[in-house]
Amino acid sequence: NAGVTQTPKFQVLKTGQSMTLQCAQDMNHEYMSWYRQDPGMGLRLIHYSVGAGITDQGEVPNGYNVSRSTTEDFPLRLLSAAPSQTSVYFCASSYLTEQYFGPGTRLTVT
Amino acid sequence: AQTVTQSQPEMSVQEAETVTLSCTYDTSENNYYLFWYKQPPSRQMILVIRQEAYKQQNATENRFSVNFQKAAKSFSLKISDSQLGDTAMYFCAFMKGDLGGSEKLVFGKGTKLTVNP
Repeated sequence: NAGVTQTPKFQVLKTGQSMTLQCAQDMNHEYMSWYRQDPGMGLRLIHYSVGAGITDQGEVPNGYNVSRSTTEDFPLRLLSAAPSQTSVYFCASSYLTEQYFGPGTRLTVT
Repeated sequence: AQTVTQSQPEMSVQEAETVTLSCTYDTSENNYYLFWYKQPPSRQMILVIRQEAYKQQNATENRFSVNFQKAAKSFSLKISDSQLGDTAMYFCAFMKGDLGGSEKLVFGKGTKLTVNP
């Protein structure tokens, strides 16, 4: 069991570039989510999915897109990166109240 | 909307002593869950303890225990016999109780705990 995996671990982008943060889980969890962590702000929910084909917005969805074509994968897309998106990004999957977090991706936008 | 407040941005404690981290929350829900997560320098999010709001008994996990005051909407974490490995960011978090699509966590801003030798 790999749990929740995220790639890449680190990424530097220039303003305006696009990229996809990958997230995968092998626990067959229906619920998956993306959070961003900024200094002094805790973790804030970006988008979440309650199952394949179903996604919804969280607290801070602007500038991010998601899709859920399979139970296992939940990629997060930045279409045009901005310096305000410099953050650490966590993917999580859950079963009831048990949340399993990935190791995080540190993204820097210059 | 739910909010979680951690009023202590930083705390420090001597090794082997006891420290209490504070958390208050605001909700109109009656059924919910509260959590404390630990984030060491490795960045990994680790669940420390969970409390169901319908349970009056405070949760404990080894050296970690909570003081859950539902009426006051307070959920503090006590760490006994502090160890150097307890040095980390600690996040208090809230989850609504109507599961099956609502497993969203609302986090506080965190408390940075340093355990000194």
